Amino acid sequence: NAGVTQTPKFQVLKTGQSMTLQCAQDMNHEYMSWYRQDPGMGLRLIHYSVGAGITDQGEVPNGYNVSRSTTEDFPLRLLSAAPSQTSVYFCASSYTFVASGSGANVLTFGAGSRLTVL
Amino acid sequence: DAKTTQPTSMDCAEGRAANLPCNHSTISGNEYVYWYRQIHSQGPQYIIHGLKNNETNEMASLIITEDRKSSTLILPHATLRDTAVYYCIVRPAAGNKLTFGGGTRVLVKP
Repeated sequence: NAGVTQTPKFQVLKTGQSMTLQCAQDMNHEYMSWYRQDPGMGLRLIHYSVGAGITDQGEVPNGYNVSRSTTEDFPLRLLSAAPSQTSVYFCASSYTFVASGSGANVLTFGAGSRLTVL
Repeated sequence: DAKTTQPTSMDCAEGRAANLPCNHSTISGNEYVYWYRQIHSQGPQYIIHGLKNNETNEMASLIITEDRKSSTLILPHATLRDTAVYYCIVRPAAGNKLTFGGGTRVLVKP
């Protein structure tokens, strides 16, 4: 049972390059999301998905694209990397909110992907 | 989403209880209080959550005031491995999005 797997763990890009951060989960979770964490800061939501084929923007979506073609995978694409996107990126997943009053939708986080843009 | 206020940092002696306060005065009646922690550079880890009643699990206890405007996370016997940033989060009744604030940086000292 791997949980949430993120690749790569480390990546260095040059300004303007594009790349994809991969996230996969094996828990059959409908909900998946991407957060970024800058040094000394809390996590900020980039994009999220409540199921295959459905995505939506979070707090800081600019410069990032996502897609959700399968339940298991939720890749995050940087179209043209900028130094401001230097950060640690975390993917997280959970079951969807099922019924009003349910508090059991615990987010499981991946180990993170550390990205440096020069 | 209801906002939370936590102290920026606190120290705790190893073996003693650590009491982490959180203020969420604008919480709605059907919003839950969640606690996560993040050990250096790792992904956040779920600790506990509650609505109205006090909760306890193998990691911690959660005490929620009767008016639900504040809560306290209690680590009963802090160890050095409990050194981490602890986030108090109010989760909206609908949806899965969690909004992380700055958290409390807890340093457990020998």
